[in-house]
Amino acid sequence: AQKVTQTQTSISVVEKTTVTMDCVYETRDSSYFLFWYKQTASGEIVFLIRQDSYKKENATVGHYSLNFQKPKSSIGLIITATQIEDSAVYFCAMREGHTGYQNFYFGKGTSLTVIP
Amino acid sequence: NAGVIQTPRHKVTGKGQEATLWCEPISGHSAVFWYRQTIVQGLEFLTYFRNQAPIDDSGMPKERFSAQMPNQSHSTLKIQSTQPQDSAVYLCASSLGYNYAEQFFGPGTRLTVL
Repeated sequence: AQKVTQTQTSISVVEKTTVTMDCVYETRDSSYFLFWYKQTASGEIVFLIRQDSYKKENATVGHYSLNFQKPKSSIGLIITATQIEDSAVYFCAMREGHTGYQNFYFGKGTSLTVIP
Repeated sequence: NAGVIQTPRHKVTGKGQEATLWCEPISGHSAVFWYRQTIVQGLEFLTYFRNQAPIDDSGMPKERFSAQMPNQSHSTLKIQSTQPQDSAVYLCASSLGYNYAEQFFGPGTRLTVL
């Protein structure tokens, strides 16, 4: 069963607008951590932002912010004032808080194209 | 800080040959992860080490794949008797080891099995 699901395969937006990418996750843990990563055309994967399950405030880093809806098991990534260089594949990931098996679960990714 | 280093960047093997992939994690990081990425399957977890000890290899194909971390400065992923379906980008990542710690990814090794 897929623990992290990104339903949007690809999105295109016009430069300088705002885009939201969806992600839903599945876990029975009361404590977990949610991450968003970006993979550029060169293949480089970089960490963008993290949300801790016990925090009610949505995380914000630069022009990236999260829309954490815990009851819906949803963690959306919002990019404001998009730039051409934001074009990339965005991955949502979850790490459960229990010890033992500590692998990350990644979604399949959403490809974002920012059009001039 | 050079980031996570992976060598080689590209490897081509013939069917049935062995492939060894190398990863040097960021100094001070206690956790090392291996992933495989393909267009069809996306990013798949393979195995995870913490303080050099294997913690979780639930993603590793049981036959032909093995991973080791003989010291804190490098890890290897070995694929015996490579098959065309093993063709993928193999990614290594390291982190500080805490549950909330983000992972830093290497550039990957593109393995092509002919």
